[in-house]
Amino acid sequence: DADVTQTPRNRITKTGKRIMLECSQTKGHDRMYWYRQDPGLGLRLIYYSFDVKDINKGEISDGYSVSRQAQAKFSLSLESAIPNQTALYFCATSDAAFHGYTFGSGTRLTVV
Amino acid sequence: AQKVTQAQTEISVVEKEDVTLDCVYETRDTTYYLFWYKQPPSGELVFLIRRNSFDEQNEISGRYSWNFQKSTSSFNFTITASQVVDSAVYFCALSGRNTDKLIFGTGTRLQVFP
Repeated sequence: DADVTQTPRNRITKTGKRIMLECSQTKGHDRMYWYRQDPGLGLRLIYYSFDVKDINKGEISDGYSVSRQAQAKFSLSLESAIPNQTALYFCATSDAAFHGYTFGSGTRLTVV
Repeated sequence: AQKVTQAQTEISVVEKEDVTLDCVYETRDTTYYLFWYKQPPSGELVFLIRRNSFDEQNEISGRYSWNFQKSTSSFNFTITASQVVDSAVYFCALSGRNTDKLIFGTGTRLQVFP
């Protein structure tokens, strides 16, 4: 099994729909992150969490929400999807940022 | 504030050419860490290297080498005798000792043609 598992791998959804992207990790790390990747913009941080009671906004949190259900699970929700949320989404985990991240395989989301 | 700049958006080379990907960083921390990640066409992000600010020795791993120069705030990545399988997007990233997250550059897309 992968250290960080993201589901679904691909998803097409309609504008206005609510969608949840899920992430689970087996590394035993406290820190989990959600990034989105857009061509030419690199990886931008949406939300991050240091434990189930510690959720922090990243640089582009508007339109997104998260839930840290357990140390191993961190979900990202789009309450009302819009086309400019079409992107590749990555979940990552770490025991400390300066150690680097372990990434999931990504979720390719298309909002039509 | 911390910042990572990868000025090269896209590079194209022919197989067996050497290629260098540039990474310039900004930080006020005296202790910091630099990273390179590779994203092949399949999409996953693969860790390549981590370097701390106190270790300026260049690193070589097979055809890959990294040149860390604090004087120019650069951490450049060279692929020697490039191969088609090196085609990917490469990200440089930075973290301080006490910062919450990695700061990524915008990435460089490398295309290696046969």
